[in-house]
Amino acid sequence: SQTIHQWPATLVQPVGSPLSLECTVEGTSNPNLYWYRQAAGRGLQLLFYSVGIGQISSEVPQNLSASRPQDRQFILSSKKLLLSDSGFYLCAWNVGGNEKLFFGSGTQLSVL
Amino acid sequence: QKEVEQDPGPLSVPEGAIVSLNCTYSNSAFQYFMWYRQYSRKGPELLMYTYSSGNKEDGRFTAQVDKSSKYISLFIRDSQPSDSATYLCAMNDYSSASKIIFGSGTRLSIRP
Repeated sequence: SQTIHQWPATLVQPVGSPLSLECTVEGTSNPNLYWYRQAAGRGLQLLFYSVGIGQISSEVPQNLSASRPQDRQFILSSKKLLLSDSGFYLCAWNVGGNEKLFFGSGTQLSVL
Repeated sequence: QKEVEQDPGPLSVPEGAIVSLNCTYSNSAFQYFMWYRQYSRKGPELLMYTYSSGNKEDGRFTAQVDKSSKYISLFIRDSQPSDSATYLCAMNDYSSASKIIFGSGTRLSIRP
C-alpha cells in the first residue's frame, strides 16, 4: 500500500532563517507531488506541484521554492523565512489521471 | 469570485442529527468532486469521490452532485461526536488533472 511521510510535524524558526521540509512517498512510482499551505481558518493554497523529477510548477510568487531530486521525494525550501511564511504545510500525491489526492500529516511552521 | 465557495461555519448539531454540508462552484468544466475530512492539526483524508451528477453513498455518508446548478453536498446521517472536524470540498476539470481546487472548509461540531 502507498504511504506518504512528511516531517517535521512542528517547526519554530526565527525570521531570516532557512527552511527545508521533506516529503517522501512509498509504494507508487512517478506520482504527482504537491505542496499546499493552509492558513488558520482558510482553505488550501497550492504552492507547487511536480509531475516528474526536476519538473516544478509554481502557483504563486513567493519566498519559497521546491525541488524534486528523486521520483518520490519532494522538498520545500526557503533561504530566508518571513513572518508571513507561518502556516500549516501539507504535502500530497496522486497518480496521473487519477484525481484522488492523498495528504501527509502536515508541518506546523511558526516563524517568530 | 472564488472558483469554489464553501460556508466556513462553524456548524454545531446534536448527536444523531443529519448534517448537510455544501459547496457551490463557478467553473462548468469541473468534472471530479471530492470531500475531505480534516481533524485539527492533521492532514485531510479523502471521504468521498465522484465524477458524475447524482448521489453516491458510503455508509453514513452521501455525496450529491448537481452539475446543472453547480452545487455539491455531503450528507452525514446519524452524526457522531467523532465526526467533529473540518470538511473540505474539492474539485477539478479533466484538462487540469494536476490541479485540484479546494473550498475553504466548514467546521462541524457534533454535540453529545
